Amino acid sequence: GNSVTQMEGPVTLSEEAFLTINCTYTATGYPSLFWYVQYPGEGLQLLLKATKADDKGSNKGFEATYRKETTSFHLEKGSVQVSDSAVYFCALVGAGGYQKVTFGTGTKLQVIP
Amino acid sequence: EPEVTQTPSHQVTQMGQEVILRCVPISNHLYFYWYRQILGQKVEFLVSFYNNEISEKSEIFDDQFSVERPDGSNFTLKIRSTKLEDSAMYFCASSAETSGYNEQFFGPGTRLTVL
Repeated sequence: GNSVTQMEGPVTLSEEAFLTINCTYTATGYPSLFWYVQYPGEGLQLLLKATKADDKGSNKGFEATYRKETTSFHLEKGSVQVSDSAVYFCALVGAGGYQKVTFGTGTKLQVIP
Repeated sequence: EPEVTQTPSHQVTQMGQEVILRCVPISNHLYFYWYRQILGQKVEFLVSFYNNEISEKSEIFDDQFSVERPDGSNFTLKIRSTKLEDSAMYFCASSAETSGYNEQFFGPGTRLTVL
């Protein structure tokens, strides 16, 4: 079945530091890939997405590139802010139909001033 | 911008009681889902629903759970006899038939606390 593996947290960074959260996946065919963000006490928000190989999703300074050859979708941001503190979930939806979202375990990011 | 809504935001119940969690999906969406997130853990799929029937369910979704689309706008999750381990955040999601990349839109969640 489909699965998503992402780096363990928590990750603590100083403001303006560079962020990378690693994510790899296992799926047949060409899944769609997503990053969701969950701010404290809130629900899930879609941060960015990529639907085919070599696509780059981007939003709010965050980027992730769909790498079929390494089955990865790492999340990056050049300069994090305190307001980016949240839990980040890598996720996929399998190819061929309206299937369930498979989530990774989540990575908690804390940005300190 | 259209959004998925869920009520209540927080539900507290006694073990063994029935609860119904309500969701209003985005109006032109045809696929509906429930997920849950036990505190501190990952989000887990429960069930998907299309054309008035369940299209897929996980092993978590046992006979204690049921879903219904009672009136063409609401989508409900019923837990017949709640257990302590049902305490979690429950998320509803919907997606459109025309969505080319299977994007699901999530509601804000209902936090269920079973005492």
